[in-house]
Amino acid sequence: EIVLTQSPATLSLSPGERATLSCRASQSVSNNYLAWYQQKPGQAPRLLIYGASTRATGFPDRFSGSGSGKDFTLTISRLEPEDFAVYYCQHYGPSPGTFGQGTKVEIK
Amino acid sequence: EVQLVESGGGLVQPGGSLRLSCSASGFIFSSCVMHWVRQAPGKGLEYVSSISRNGVSTYYVDSVKGRFSISRDNFKNTLSLQMSSLRPDDTAIYYCVKEDRDFDWLLDSWGQGTLVTVSS
Repeated sequence: EIVLTQSPATLSLSPGERATLSCRASQSVSNNYLAWYQQKPGQAPRLLIYGASTRATGFPDRFSGSGSGKDFTLTISRLEPEDFAVYYCQHYGPSPGTFGQGTKVEIK
Repeated sequence: EVQLVESGGGLVQPGGSLRLSCSASGFIFSSCVMHWVRQAPGKGLEYVSSISRNGVSTYYVDSVKGRFSISRDNFKNTLSLQMSSLRPDDTAIYYCVKEDRDFDWLLDSWGQGTLVTVSS
């Protein structure tokens, strides 16, 4: 089972700043089957990125994903007020994947 | 538009049972693998159970094996989770989730969730 470790646990930033979230896998993620989900308070998670870098429908281009192998990054280029949320990474594919423990992006 | 609407959550005593339902619309239900994912208060996401398109194959996380049973009705577009022998650590929001048709275990649509509280 691949273990995903997200860092930092909490990121305190101001609107307009750049956010960089990390997701590190215990072993290489095949085919870059790495997704990111956004969860706002009181809401269900929502698929944000899949295939490590493909944005899901409805998300603006200030969100970008990158990485391969064991190291993946979610970048929010300029934080908008609605972007403050918890972000989870997930490994998916031919067997039950795993979730990271989440990174909370909070307003500084 | 995909819609997943859960129901059936509530307060139940330890050792009790509960049945969750999920009504699906806006997509071809019988063509999609479906999942239940839960989130304990203030915690992260955990897979609970999954069911294949035709209902033949199922998956359960170890902690619920033998206690939970997933099923689906492709005529009524409904997903269910029968939970028994409930424990306090089953307390969580339970989400009904649709899997992407092209990628296994990629969760592309989520319901709003239903809260299950196991407490005496």
